[in-house]
Amino acid sequence: NAGVTQTPKFQVLKTGQSMTLQCAQDMNHNSMYWYRQDPGMGLRLIYYSASEGTTDKGEVPNGYNVSRLNKREFSLRLESAAPSQTSVYFCASSETPAAVSTDTQYFGPGTRLTVL
Amino acid sequence: GQQVMQIPQYQHVQEGEDFTTYCNSSTTLSNIQWYKQRPGGHPVFLIQLVKSGEVKKQKRLTFQFGEAKKNSSLHITATQTTDVGTYFCAGRIYTGKLIFGQGTTLQVKP
Repeated sequence: NAGVTQTPKFQVLKTGQSMTLQCAQDMNHNSMYWYRQDPGMGLRLIYYSASEGTTDKGEVPNGYNVSRLNKREFSLRLESAAPSQTSVYFCASSETPAAVSTDTQYFGPGTRLTVL
Repeated sequence: GQQVMQIPQYQHVQEGEDFTTYCNSSTTLSNIQWYKQRPGGHPVFLIQLVKSGEVKKQKRLTFQFGEAKKNSSLHITATQTTDVGTYFCAGRIYTGKLIFGQGTTLQVKP
């Protein structure tokens, strides 16, 4: 099992460009998440999908959109990139919806994005 | 909103010294998880604490959950260079949402 995979690993964009970050998991998990990690800020939740067909905003959703393509795949789109979106983006998945108290999250390797 | 504060932000220790990171929540937690992220890597789940006052050990790592279920700590005895990385606590609130602390980055001098 590959676990959680993310593409690309690195990306440089110019302000105003758009791009989609891809995430896939092969653990048959129901829930998937997108986080951004910035120095001193920890991991902040952008969007999550508790189950196939549903998506919800997290703590910092502005400037992003998501698509839960199927149970395996959850993509994050930046429509018009801004320098403030320079960050490391992690996708994660968990077996059951977030309401289950014993759920743990499995993270992908991350995408390092720079917006010039 | 709900917050999980983690201190210190950075800690430099000599190999063999002990290390502790603390996590405090503004609200009562259902449970708390701890993750470790090696430099350049991704967060990896270490452990989960559920009960009030719970203490769990993993070799040199000791995890505690406070009696009020609002704070937690991770203590590493006799640090090694392999302990280098950032340690995150993540508290689960009543809605099921997991809130991450800012992390403590540990550097160990050989």
